[in-house]
Amino acid sequence: KAGVTQTPRYLIKTRGQQVTLSCSPISGHRSVSWYQQTPGQGLQFLFEYFSETQRNKGNFPGRFSGRQFSNSRSEMNVSTLELGDSALYLCASSPGLAGGQSSYEQYFGPGTRLTVT
Amino acid sequence: AQSVAQPEDQVNVAEGNPLTVKCTYSVSGNPYLFWYVQYPNRGLQFLLKYITGDNLVKGSYGFEAEFNKSQTSFHLKKPSALVSDSALYFCAVRPYSGGYQKVTFGIGTKLQVIP
Repeated sequence: KAGVTQTPRYLIKTRGQQVTLSCSPISGHRSVSWYQQTPGQGLQFLFEYFSETQRNKGNFPGRFSGRQFSNSRSEMNVSTLELGDSALYLCASSPGLAGGQSSYEQYFGPGTRLTVT
Repeated sequence: AQSVAQPEDQVNVAEGNPLTVKCTYSVSGNPYLFWYVQYPNRGLQFLLKYITGDNLVKGSYGFEAEFNKSQTSFHLKKPSALVSDSALYFCAVRPYSGGYQKVTFGIGTKLQVIP
């Protein structure tokens, strides 16, 4: 099976712009999560989607948003970019089950390196 | 609120020696616990998990971890370290209390295996 893919891999944006990142999960996986990774903060949870519904949301401002499509692919959007948004954005997928099982491990993509200047 | 602590920013160990990377957690409800590894310029890879049952779980690349409920710890161990084990290690917890809960990661521990 192909792994989790993320596009683009690298992105340079200017303050005030917006950006959209894309994630394609492993085939058959229905849960997608997004994380922000920075050297000082580690991995910070952004949001999790399952079957097009947002299941959980982290403590990020409303400038950060996401969605999941019927084919489980997911996008996250950051509007009005700030310098502090520079980070590695990781997408992770897992099988997930509608019944509430949350014990599955996650499979991570290579990430999108966003630089805001 | 749930949290994960990895008290050591960096662990140095000589090749061939046993290694331990520490992790403690705080959750409400039962914890699902995970270890991930991140090699330079690569994404995170799953190593092992504890869900229920035997407190000692075995994972990829010869790693194992011991769940200790009374100490709320989930330390990662390997009997004999390899230089290729040098990487960044993350502990994560996902509480289960009747439904989906978010995953919380520790800040990571850099493991340096010295030849």
